[in-house]
Amino acid sequence: QKEVEQDPGPLSVPEGAIVSLNCTYSNSAFQYFMWYRQYSRKGPELLMYTYSSGNKEDGRFTAQVDKSSKYISLFIRDSQPSDSATYLCAMRRNQGGKLIFGQGTELSVKP
Amino acid sequence: DAGVIQSPRHEVTEMGQEVTLRCKPISGHDYLFWYRQTMMRGLELLIYFNNNVPIDDSGMPEDRFSAKMPNASFSTLKIQPSEPRDSAVYFCASSFRGAAGELFFGEGSRLTVL
Repeated sequence: QKEVEQDPGPLSVPEGAIVSLNCTYSNSAFQYFMWYRQYSRKGPELLMYTYSSGNKEDGRFTAQVDKSSKYISLFIRDSQPSDSATYLCAMRRNQGGKLIFGQGTELSVKP
Repeated sequence: DAGVIQSPRHEVTEMGQEVTLRCKPISGHDYLFWYRQTMMRGLELLIYFNNNVPIDDSGMPEDRFSAKMPNASFSTLKIQPSEPRDSAVYFCASSFRGAAGELFFGEGSRLTVL
């Protein structure tokens, strides 16, 4: 079993839809949780970062972490065609060191 | 800052040949990571360095793979001999310990082994 599980999709939604992306993990030692966005033929870029449990909001994006369920989510409100990309969850036990990624979910937002 | 610089961007080679991928991390960063990305397996960590010292190479597939970081501004990932199953995009990333989760990725090196 992989340490981090993520549905690869692909996921296709109409413009303006609310998108929900999710990951589950098995290692309870993970404390730092991230979402990266990767456009086609580019390297991943950090989108959201959360420490431990709770919610974090940044514009149209909200990240949630539920450590008791070992489950993290990313919500995108009012999705735009420019949001079309692959979204990867990632997590690590402590600052610095090994960052483990989910497989990534490919999202397509249709105008 | 120019970001993480990787070369070559594309490499096509024949099975059995040696492949060397190069990476220049962001100046001042003390961690360097090599990842491999494929459709089937996603983004896999191969090895990472802290202050030029290899910390964890448990993701390196086999002895055909080796990585070095001779100084803070340069790292190489070498595959010898290469095989078709090594075809993937190889990413280098760097980070600074104080920046918690943020890894800065290069554009990747797309390797095709025929």
